Amino acid sequence: NAGVTQTPKFQVLKTGQSMTLQCAQDMNHEYMSWYRQDPGMGLRLIHYSVGAGITDQGEVPNGYNVSRSTTEDFPLRLLSAAPSQTSVYFCASRESGANVLTFGAGSRLTVL
Amino acid sequence: EDKVVQSPLSLVVHEGDTVTLNCSYEVTNFRSLLWYKQEKKAPTFLFMLTSSGIEKKSGRLSSILDKKELFSILNITATQTGDSAVYLCAESGGSNYKLTFGKGTLLTVNP
Repeated sequence: NAGVTQTPKFQVLKTGQSMTLQCAQDMNHEYMSWYRQDPGMGLRLIHYSVGAGITDQGEVPNGYNVSRSTTEDFPLRLLSAAPSQTSVYFCASRESGANVLTFGAGSRLTVL
Repeated sequence: EDKVVQSPLSLVVHEGDTVTLNCSYEVTNFRSLLWYKQEKKAPTFLFMLTSSGIEKKSGRLSSILDKKELFSILNITATQTGDSAVYLCAESGGSNYKLTFGKGTLLTVNP
């Protein structure tokens, strides 16, 4: 069982470039979410989804887009990267009605 | 807006010491309080607390929730260097029971 898989693990971008962070889970979890983690800031929710076709904004959604066309996948798109988006990004999922999130290994993004 | 506050933000102890980490929360529609451990990688789940006054225990780690005073503590007894990590507290509540995290407590255990 792979759990939550994130790619890439590391990425360096130039300001203004676009990219997509991929997240896939094989646990048939309805709920998926993206967090970013910055030093001293804990984990902050960017976007989440309670099922295929349904997404909503979290605490820090600006500069990020998401879509949920399948239960398994929840990609995070940066349309025009900014240095303020330099961070470690975690994808996490859980069963509908459950509380415990299972996290992916993280993706470290640097925007120059 | 929901808010989770952890204290202290960092802590340095010697092996064998006992530590207490604090987490206070303000939340609407509270469902549960969770503790995670993070060691330079993804957070791993430690405890989930839903009922007040009932201690959860796993080896040298234990945690308890006070729903009246809106706080939780995580205790680690006889600390070891392997306990060095960031400990994250999160509450599940609000709309869609999103997890809201505190900023974490960085625990360093020196030999």
